[in-house]
Amino acid sequence: DTAVSQTPKYLVTQMGNDKSIKCEQNLGHDTMYWYKQDSKKFLKIMFSYNNKELIINETVPNRFSPKSPDKAHLNLHINSLELGDSAVYFCASSQDLLAGEGDTQYFGPGTRLTVL
Amino acid sequence: GDSVTQMEGPVTLSEEAFLTINCTYTATGYPSLFWYVQYPGEGLQLLLKATKADDKGSNKGFEATYRKETTSFHLEKGSVQVSDSAVYFCALSEQTSYDKVIFGPGTSLSVIP
Repeated sequence: DTAVSQTPKYLVTQMGNDKSIKCEQNLGHDTMYWYKQDSKKFLKIMFSYNNKELIINETVPNRFSPKSPDKAHLNLHINSLELGDSAVYFCASSQDLLAGEGDTQYFGPGTRLTVL
Repeated sequence: GDSVTQMEGPVTLSEEAFLTINCTYTATGYPSLFWYVQYPGEGLQLLLKATKADDKGSNKGFEATYRKETTSFHLEKGSVQVSDSAVYFCALSEQTSYDKVIFGPGTSLSVIP
């Protein structure tokens, strides 16, 4: 049973298009994230939502808009795609951070976005 | 700000060799420390973690000890297998920073038979 799932797994599109990536988790977690991994495997957080509310918004262009219809879903919509948006995008989830504990993040399988 | 530094890769080892991947961090408070592993074509998964100084995390033959005095969390395994080939990420999360995990740049490991 998949814990964190993303669709699609691969996405190839032209510059200037608008696309969405969907993420769902069935772990009952309160917090979800989007990360971007570049070609050198460097991983950078983009957004974090807790109970459908935006918590972390790193310096991401406003062409990227996350949407959380409920706490089990966090979708990523990207407008006016650019060549530099090509990367692997990972969704993740975790329980709330507890004082004195390190919270484990559970990652989806990734969506490889290629902008032509 | 907080940061994580890892040894540069790629690392190539023969099967049954000893593995060390160095990780050091800078943090203002008392972070929890993690190692995540990413197998080819997959997402990251937690390998081990430690939440306070001198804790040792271990899993699947890997271990790492939280060293506050040297701000380090080096990953070790006594005898690597081909199936350990993956990218390894050191990471930290600050208790004062809401659910934000800072990842190192990753170290690619290839184990050859």
